[in-house]
Amino acid sequence: GNSVTQMEGPVTLSEEAFLTINCTYTATGYPSLFWYVQYPGEGLQLLLKATKADDKGSNKGFEATYRKETTSFHLEKGSVQVSDSAVYFCALNYGGATNKLIFGTGTLLAVQP
Amino acid sequence: DVKVTQSSRYLVKRTGEKVFLECVQDMDHENMFWYRQDPGLGLRLIYFSYDVKMKEKGDIPEGYSVSREKKERFSLILESASTNQTSMYLCATGNGVRTDTQYFGPGTRLTVL
Repeated sequence: GNSVTQMEGPVTLSEEAFLTINCTYTATGYPSLFWYVQYPGEGLQLLLKATKADDKGSNKGFEATYRKETTSFHLEKGSVQVSDSAVYFCALNYGGATNKLIFGTGTLLAVQP
Repeated sequence: DVKVTQSSRYLVKRTGEKVFLECVQDMDHENMFWYRQDPGLGLRLIYFSYDVKMKEKGDIPEGYSVSREKKERFSLILESASTNQTSMYLCATGNGVRTDTQYFGPGTRLTVL
């Protein structure tokens, strides 16, 4: 079946460190891939997305590339800030009429000054 | 901007009570979703609706029901609340396209005593 696996947290980094959060997926067909972010006390919001192989999504200094050959969509940022502290969710949408998402379990990122 | 609102941010109920969680969207989206979020489990789909009066079970529908009488409003009902339904509940909307995002409300943290 369709599934998303992302690295467990928490991930603790110092400000300006490099961030990678791994995400791999299993899906039939050609899913779209998403990263969502949840700041403390808030709902989820879209961080970035990629809708086909080799697409790169980017936003707020974060990037992720849709790698079909390795079924991966790893999230990266070159220099994290304290304000990036949040929970990050990888998700896929495998299609169909209802736009259902399948989420990973989330990765808590804590950035220390 | 898409706006998705949920009736309460925090709710405390007693075991056996009937609980209503309401979600309202202002973007005329066809699809609406209810998720619950638990630590280590990510987001799990409870129910979704792809049209007024239409609904489908998600991955964990047991103990829940839903109602969608108007396009903009989607209600989650706990017929007889139990302590294992203590969780964060998130509503989301989308337009039924594989490549598009879902938009989330701020969440309701429900505690069942």
